[in-house]
Amino acid sequence: TQLLEQSPQFLSIQEGENLTVYCNSSSVFSSLQWYRQEPGEGPVLLVTVVTGGEVKKLKRLTFQFGDARKDSSLHITAAQPGDTGLYLCGTSYGKLTFGQGTILTVHP
Amino acid sequence: EAGVAQSPRYKIIEKRQSVAFWCNPISGHATLYWYQQILGQGPKLLIQFQNNGVVDDSQLPKDRFSAERLKGVDSTLKIQPAKLEDSAVYLCASSFRGNEQFFGPGTRLTVL
Repeated sequence: TQLLEQSPQFLSIQEGENLTVYCNSSSVFSSLQWYRQEPGEGPVLLVTVVTGGEVKKLKRLTFQFGDARKDSSLHITAAQPGDTGLYLCGTSYGKLTFGQGTILTVHP
Repeated sequence: EAGVAQSPRYKIIEKRQSVAFWCNPISGHATLYWYQQILGQGPKLLIQFQNNGVVDDSQLPKDRFSAERLKGVDSTLKIQPAKLEDSAVYLCASSFRGNEQFFGPGTRLTVL
C-alpha cells in the first residue's frame, strides 16, 4: 500500500487548459512537498506546505494542503508545453517518501 | 553554484555483472542520499549518509547493494551481482542539515 496516492497517473492536455493533480493519504503529515521531474533530470522542489488549509501560489501553479493535512492538490492554470513532466508529492514520514507521480504532457 | 554531479549517465550491463555509480554532492552538504526510481514510480530511498556515517539503510538490499562515503564528500553505490529488476534510474541527492534536497540527473541502469 502506497503511503501517498497520486491521481491521475497520466494526464495529456492541450496548451491553455487548466488541470489539477491530487495527492492523498490516510495519514496526517506535518508537511508535504511537491516536486517536478523533467526527463533525464532529478526532481526539483517546487513548494513545501505545512499548515492545514494552506494555499501557496507559484506563478500559474497553486498548491493547497487539506485542512486535515492528509491530502494536497496542485492546480495549473493555462498549462504550457514547458509544464510537461512528472509531478511528485513527497513527505518526510521518517524519511522522504514519494507518491508514484503524475505524468503530465502538454501539447502545443 | 555547481549542482549534484553523477556519473555515468547511462549504463547497460548483463545480469550477474557488477556496476558502480559515483556521486559528488553540492559543496558543504553533509547529508547525501541514494534513491532508486523504477519506471513509472516515485524515487525510493536506498541509503542516507550524514558526513561519512550511515543514517538509514533500511531499504538497501544489502545482499547485493553497497554504498560508501569514505571522506564524507563523494559517494559510490555498487550493485554486485545485478538482477533484471535492478533496471532503474539511480538518483543521488544532497542537503544542508537535512533541509531541501537537491537531486543530481541520475544514472539510468539497464540490466539485460
